[in-house]
Amino acid sequence: NAGVTQTPKFQVLKTGQSMTLQCAQDMNHNSMYWYRQDPGMGLRLIYYSASEGTTDKGEVPNGYNVSRLNKREFSLRLESAAPSQTSVYFCASLKRTLLSYNEQFFGPGTRLTVL
Amino acid sequence: GNSVTQMEGPVTLSEEAFLTINCTYTATGYPSLFWYVQYPGEGLQLLLKATKADDKGSNKGFEATYRKETTSFHLEKGSVQVSDSAVYFCALSDESGNQFYFGTGTSLTVIP
Repeated sequence: NAGVTQTPKFQVLKTGQSMTLQCAQDMNHNSMYWYRQDPGMGLRLIYYSASEGTTDKGEVPNGYNVSRLNKREFSLRLESAAPSQTSVYFCASLKRTLLSYNEQFFGPGTRLTVL
Repeated sequence: GNSVTQMEGPVTLSEEAFLTINCTYTATGYPSLFWYVQYPGEGLQLLLKATKADDKGSNKGFEATYRKETTSFHLEKGSVQVSDSAVYFCALSDESGNQFYFGTGTSLTVIP
């Protein structure tokens, strides 16, 4: 199992450019998430997808769009990048357990710089 | 609403020192509580968890107890190693188990 994979690992964009961050998981999880990590801010939820075909906004969705292409893949798109979107982006999937908690699994992250 | 407040860092300790990282939370209902660890250049990994009041989560020598009366989930380790150098995140999930809320992270550096 590769777990949660993300591409690319690093990206530099100019203001106004667009790009798509890719995420895939091979654990057959229904729910997937996109977070951004900024210094002193922890992880903030951008969007999540409870299941294939559904997406919902999180805490900081402005400037982003998502697509849940199928059960495995959940992509994040920046239509017109801004310097404020410089961040490290993490994708995660959710394992539902038969116990009283669910566990998130994270990808290695994409470090994005917008000039 | 739900939120997590975590001890500010960075924290620097000598090897074999005692570690405490404070975490308090605000939540409605009965959340589950987690500590995640992030090693340099990697994603977050679950370190330990507790799902109800007075539960103690433990893993790799780390422990944390779910204290409902003080709404706290402090991380402790009796003797840290250089390999424990990482960023530690306190988190909670709501009662649905679908939404997670993270603290700001505490960077730990252990020096030989």
